Amino acid sequence: NAGVMQNPRHLVRRRGQEARLRCSPMKGHSHVYWYRQLPEEGLKFMVYLQKENIIDESGMPKERFSAEFPKEGPSILRIQQVVRGDSAAYFCASSTLGSNNEQFFGPGTRLTVL
Amino acid sequence: AQSVAQPEDQVNVAEGNPLTVKCTYSVSGNPYLFWYVQYPNRGLQFLLKYITGDNLVKGSYGFEAEFNKSQTSFHLKKPSALVSDSALYFCAVRDPNDMRFGAGTRLTVKP
Repeated sequence: NAGVMQNPRHLVRRRGQEARLRCSPMKGHSHVYWYRQLPEEGLKFMVYLQKENIIDESGMPKERFSAEFPKEGPSILRIQQVVRGDSAAYFCASSTLGSNNEQFFGPGTRLTVL
Repeated sequence: AQSVAQPEDQVNVAEGNPLTVKCTYSVSGNPYLFWYVQYPNRGLQFLLKYITGDNLVKGSYGFEAEFNKSQTSFHLKKPSALVSDSALYFCAVRDPNDMRFGAGTRLTVKP
């Protein structure tokens, strides 16, 4: 059973470009979470999605950021018109609504904005 | 390779009593240590971190953690537990390229 997969592992963009980060949850998991990790910091929650539904987006910046988790395919975190401050590691986690709701984390995507 | 261990799957305390959630770590070099909390149907929320400085770190919601280098521990504490503190708690350690989480400890505070 493959774990949570994220691609690409490293992504370089120039200011103003779009960044698309993909997350494939573990098999059987229907819930996905996105986190951002800035240098020297811990993880900061961004958004929690279920298939075709956003459950909690309280941590998402109001502009330029969006996330989706379609019925088929991976979850996508999209950052439009990237700026240097978007440079960070972005982690995805997945879970199933089990008794302990444990999250399993992917390896992360490191975004560098030039 | 770095790692963290949370030796207790479950911690039960009575409301008003002090609580401790244990975490031990293994790293090469200086550790960056974190505690996160997960409430039901929510994502992880940052509680506190230790990078350098004072060994006693104060965080959100009245929680604190004590970094103990000789015991390689970073236990989470609160002087007086609330029922609303009931949640899943994760200890984590990071280096520049990776972040490792403990398995989590479920804290139940009973009225």
